[in-house]
Amino acid sequence: NAGVTQTPKFRILKIGQSMTLQCAQDMNHNYMYWYRQDPGMGLKLIYYSVGAGITDKGEVPNGYNVSRSTTEDFPLRLELAAPSQTSVYFCASSWATGSPDTQYFGPGTRLTVL
Amino acid sequence: GENVEQHPSTLSVQEGDSAVIKCTYSDSASNYFPWYKQELGKRPQLIIDIRSNVGEKKDQRIAVTLNKTAKHFSLHITETQPEDSAVYFCAATSPFYGGATNKLIFGTGTLLAVQP
Repeated sequence: NAGVTQTPKFRILKIGQSMTLQCAQDMNHNYMYWYRQDPGMGLKLIYYSVGAGITDKGEVPNGYNVSRSTTEDFPLRLELAAPSQTSVYFCASSWATGSPDTQYFGPGTRLTVL
Repeated sequence: GENVEQHPSTLSVQEGDSAVIKCTYSDSASNYFPWYKQELGKRPQLIIDIRSNVGEKKDQRIAVTLNKTAKHFSLHITETQPEDSAVYFCAATSPFYGGATNKLIFGTGTLLAVQP
């Protein structure tokens, strides 16, 4: 299994541009998550999904959108990029059936907005 | 909502010594407490976790303790080695935080440096 994969690894955007960060998992996990990690800080939850077609906001959703059309994929969309969105973005997935379980993280996407 | 505080922010120990990192949480309903290790430029990786129905869990040189009354949990690393150098994050989740299970709230991390 590849686990959780993310593309691209690095990206530089200009202010106002848009992009989609890709995330895929091959572990048949029902839960998927997007986090951002600012320098020297912990991870903040942006959005999460409990299954295909179901998404909800996390702690810091402003400026982002998500969709989950399949179990495997959970893309994160940035509209009108701003310098405050410069961060490392991690996707994660887990299997949860009523009690929390291990979250597995992807390798991350380092995004710089100039 | 849940809030997790982690201390210290940096910790330097000599090889072979023990290291202890402490976290406190605010939601008494929290029931799952994982610890992640993140090496520079890498993804966070789970090293140990504990659920609210136990007070201690060990895995070789790593142990986690949980005090539900005081709402704090700690990571203990014994016989530290240079390869233990990394940032360690604690996290907590409540059973129905925000209407769904398994939403983690992370501490701000501890940079552990093991001096050879």
